[in-house]
Amino acid sequence: QKEVEQDPGPLSVPEGAIVSLNCTYSNSAFQYFMWYRQYSRKGPELLMYTYSSGNKEDGRFTAQVDKSSKYISLFIRDSQPSDSATYLCAMSSTNAGGTSYGKLTFGQGTILTVHP
Amino acid sequence: DAGVTQSPTHLIKTRGQHVTLRCSPISGHKSVSWYQQVLGQGPQFIFQYYEKEERGRGNFPDRFSARQFPNYSSELNVNALLLGDSALYLCASKWGGGSTDTQYFGPGTRLTVL
Repeated sequence: QKEVEQDPGPLSVPEGAIVSLNCTYSNSAFQYFMWYRQYSRKGPELLMYTYSSGNKEDGRFTAQVDKSSKYISLFIRDSQPSDSATYLCAMSSTNAGGTSYGKLTFGQGTILTVHP
Repeated sequence: DAGVTQSPTHLIKTRGQHVTLRCSPISGHKSVSWYQQVLGQGPQFIFQYYEKEERGRGNFPDRFSARQFPNYSSELNVNALLLGDSALYLCASKWGGGSTDTQYFGPGTRLTVL
């Protein structure tokens, strides 16, 4: 079983739709949660960074963390064609025996297409 | 300010050859990490270096090695290339060595092994 599971999609929505992206994880040591956006043939770009359970909002993006269920989500409101990309969830822990200090564990990525 | 830069952009090698990939972190960042991203998958952690010392190593064979220089730039070396090494190799930099610092990724080096 992978430490982080993410539905690869692909997900296709009309412009203006609300998009929900999700990841589940099995490692209870994960404490920091991130969402990255990756355009084709580019490096990942950080969208959201959260630590505690609850919601964090930034413009059209809302990140949600539920540590008790080991479940994180990213919501995109009023989606735009420019949001078409692969969305990666990533997680890290504070202490992994000194062998993975700052290591990010990624989900598989969800391919999102927003069509006009 | 310049972001993380990587060179070369693309590289084609044949099985058994050796490759060196290079990364320059964001100015002021002292930590560099390397990730391998196979097509259709999320990035997989290879190494982290902080202040020129290896801080973490992922589940990759000894054919993979890296180092960090006094100016905090880094090299990733892969020996005896296999077809399965074909991937996008990503470098990420952050200010410190801790888990809480935000990591910023470069555009990657796309390696094709024939």
